[in-house]
This record gives sequence, C-alpha cells and structure tokens, in this order.
Amino acid sequence: NAGVTQTPKFRILKIGQSMTLQCAQDMNHNYMYWYRQDPGMGLKLIYYSVGAGITDKGEVPNGYNVSRSTTEDFPLRLELAAPSQTSVYFCASSTRAWITEAFFGQGTRLTVV
Amino acid sequence: QQPVQSPQAVILREGEDAVINCSSSKALYSVHWYRQKHGEAPVFLMILLKGGEQKGHDKISASFNEKKQQSSLYLTASQLSYSGTYFCGTEKGTDKLIFGTGTRLQVFP
Repeated sequence: NAGVTQTPKFRILKIGQSMTLQCAQDMNHNYMYWYRQDPGMGLKLIYYSVGAGITDKGEVPNGYNVSRSTTEDFPLRLELAAPSQTSVYFCASSTRAWITEAFFGQGTRLTVV
Repeated sequence: QQPVQSPQAVILREGEDAVINCSSSKALYSVHWYRQKHGEAPVFLMILLKGGEQKGHDKISASFNEKKQQSSLYLTASQLSYSGTYFCGTEKGTDKLIFGTGTRLQVFP
C-alpha cells in the first residue's frame, strides 16, 4: 500500500506565483486534512474534508483553496504565493476523525522567494 | 482553541522517565498522540477516548481525563529512539483534528 502520497516533495516559488500541492490516498479514507508546519513549530490545520464534495476551513485557511472531487484526491491550491507561505505542508487521511489514527504523507517543503 | 502542551522541551538520559501534558480549553471527545522525528512526518502512537481510559504502547502509555480536558503521555525508561517532538491532537466531534503546541524530547546516552 502506498498510503498517502504527496507531490512534489520540494518546490521553490516566486512571490505572486501559484501552484497546486497534490495529495492522494489509496486507503478509501473519507477524512482528509492539510496542515502546514513552520520551522520549529507545530501543525496548523489549513483545510479539511469529510468526503468527496465536502470541504471546510481549518485554523489558517487564508491564501489557500481546496477541492475534493474524488475520495482519493485532495489538492491544495496556493494563489499569489507570499513569503509567509514558506513552510512544510502535510496531507493526512483517516477513516473517522476522532476515533481512528491519521496517516500522514511525507510532506512538501515549499519556499517562496 | 489549540491545545496547550507542557513542558515545551524535555532533556533526558537513557532510562529516565518523562511526562508530557496536553490541556484543552474545550471539551474533548478523544485525544490522539503522535511523534515526529526531525525531517519526517508525524507517526501515530495512540488514541484515547472518553471514559478516562489508559493505553500503552511499548513503554509509552497515556491517560485521558475528559472532565479536566487533559491528557498525559508517560514515557518510561526512555530510549534513544524516543527522541522527537510529541504532539497531542484533539477532536470535539467537529471533524477537525487540531494539534497541540508540541513538546520536544531529547534523549542522550
């Protein structure tokens, strides 16, 4: 099983550029999450989804957008990248948010210059 | 809204014990614990549900007191492999999994 796969692993963006971080899971999980982790800090929830077609904001949604057209995929879109979006982004998935473990992807390290 | 963990950092010698606390201002349905090694993704340790249960994972155990909205992670006879940052995750039934501030644990020989 591949689990949760994130692409790309690394990316450098210029200020004002846009990009999409890809996340795919093959475990048929309904719940999917996007987190960002700044250097030496904790995980902040950006957006989450409880199933295909259903998404909602987390703690720090500004500057990001998501969509969930299939159970497997949960891409994160950055519009007009800013230096404050330099971070490591983790995607995670789980069967049920509060009673089962979350599986994490290996992360995407994004630098905005 | 983010759970608060204490202490922020712990330094141990191999074989010593440690306790990491997680406290929430909101009522909790469950508490998750994860460990993240440097440069890697967080890895699941255990989940505790309402009812004050305790769980164990090797020499790592945890308790959950939903009345006090607190959970504690107990690391016994620490090993070098325990080094990393520990996060609690909390969920109140709103489908959000929110993580705590983190506790950095370093174990030296």
